[in-house]
Amino acid sequence: EIVLTQSPATLSLSPGERATLSCRASQSVSNYLAWYQQRPGQAPRLLIYDASYRAPGIPARFSGSGSGTDFTLTISSLEPEDFAVYYCQHRISWPLTFGGGTKVEIK
Amino acid sequence: QVQLQESGPGLVKPSGTLSLTCDVSGGSISSTDWWSWVRQPPGKGLEWIGEIYHSGSTNYNPSLKSRVTVSVDKSKNQFSLKLSSVTAADTAVYYCARRSQLVASWFDPWGQGTLVTVSS
Repeated sequence: EIVLTQSPATLSLSPGERATLSCRASQSVSNYLAWYQQRPGQAPRLLIYDASYRAPGIPARFSGSGSGTDFTLTISSLEPEDFAVYYCQHRISWPLTFGGGTKVEIK
Repeated sequence: QVQLQESGPGLVKPSGTLSLTCDVSGGSISSTDWWSWVRQPPGKGLEWIGEIYHSGSTNYNPSLKSRVTVSVDKSKNQFSLKLSSVTAADTAVYYCARRSQLVASWFDPWGQGTLVTVSS
């Protein structure tokens, strides 16, 4: 089973600031990595797939990069609605697994 | 666009079987997509449970495989989850989700989720 480790666990930032979230895989997942946003009381929402492609309707302030074992989600300028929990997930092999999440909170 | 809606009992007794259904609307369950179940214990992260293709092919999380069955009913455009021998550790919000070919087989969309509590 591939383990995805996200860091930091919590990121305290102000609106307008840049957020950088990390996801590290226990072995290479090539570019088969996605990022999801989960707001309180809501289902996760796909943001980025195949490491760097924005899902339809996702604002350009969200970007993803990386390949192999190290990946980054960047939010260029935080909007109030971006304060949420973010999860990474791979699909290179079964079982599909998720990272433990990074909470982006208002400072 | 495709929408998913989970339904089923919100309370299950220990050692019993959890049964949920996911209704698919706005699209056919016979499309070239996989249909999945994911759960999230209160205050914790996401765990993939298993998935099914319209042909009946399945993939399961080895950690749950001995207790899980995912099935599809093409006539009703829905798929289902059964989890047997449940304990309090199975208390979670259960989501159904599509692994969509439109976004390279990632989870999109998701249902709103349904909370299942295991308690006597």
